[in-house]
Amino acid sequence: ETGVTQTPRHLVMGMTNKKSLKCEQHLGHNAMYWYKQSAKKPLELMFVYSLEERVENNSVPSRFSPECPNSSHLFLHLHTLQPEDSALYLCASSQETGTGNEKLFFGSGTQLSVL
Amino acid sequence: GQNIDQPTEMTATEGAIVQINCTYQTSGFNGLFWYQQHAGEAPTFLSYNVLDGLEEKGRFSSFLSRSKGYSYLLLKELQMKDSASYLCAVMDSNYQLIWGAGTKLIIKP
Repeated sequence: ETGVTQTPRHLVMGMTNKKSLKCEQHLGHNAMYWYKQSAKKPLELMFVYSLEERVENNSVPSRFSPECPNSSHLFLHLHTLQPEDSALYLCASSQETGTGNEKLFFGSGTQLSVL
Repeated sequence: GQNIDQPTEMTATEGAIVQINCTYQTSGFNGLFWYQQHAGEAPTFLSYNVLDGLEEKGRFSSFLSRSKGYSYLLLKELQMKDSASYLCAVMDSNYQLIWGAGTKLIIKP
């Protein structure tokens, strides 16, 4: 148990569907992250929130929409995805962001398949 | 551009020692991290190096040479449970984490 919980673990959706990924952290951290992990590729940072404010958006297509209602919860809303969006989506948290020794605590991820 | 290089896959024998190398070219340096990720599970933190030298933590050690842009993770007395992917990541001068693609380590009996 890393203290970061993601649901669902697996998701299959069509290109016209709308779905949401959920992440919850029980560590009292101030920063939360969404990463995309594709096979044999480096982790891609998608979004960073610090104290519920978005501090980073790495040119992610608008079909991905993050939401951070409080410092413990993070959502990723998905709509009209493409097959190339199929990947493992990882949520992470850290005590702070932008300070250096920021150990990340990851959830187990949502394996997304877009048909 | 910024780049992290690590071998795609390595194989080692149970009980042996293995060294996983990581070389980097980044805009500045604010530390290097190693994470372990078992298949289907969350990456978990292993080590953090910001100064040159060797950091030992049980069976795992991590080495850093900033002048050479080089690090390695050393795993001793390998166990079957060490079969996993090992991710190297460098924090650049903007406190952005730059990730390698990971090294899949296969342990054979």
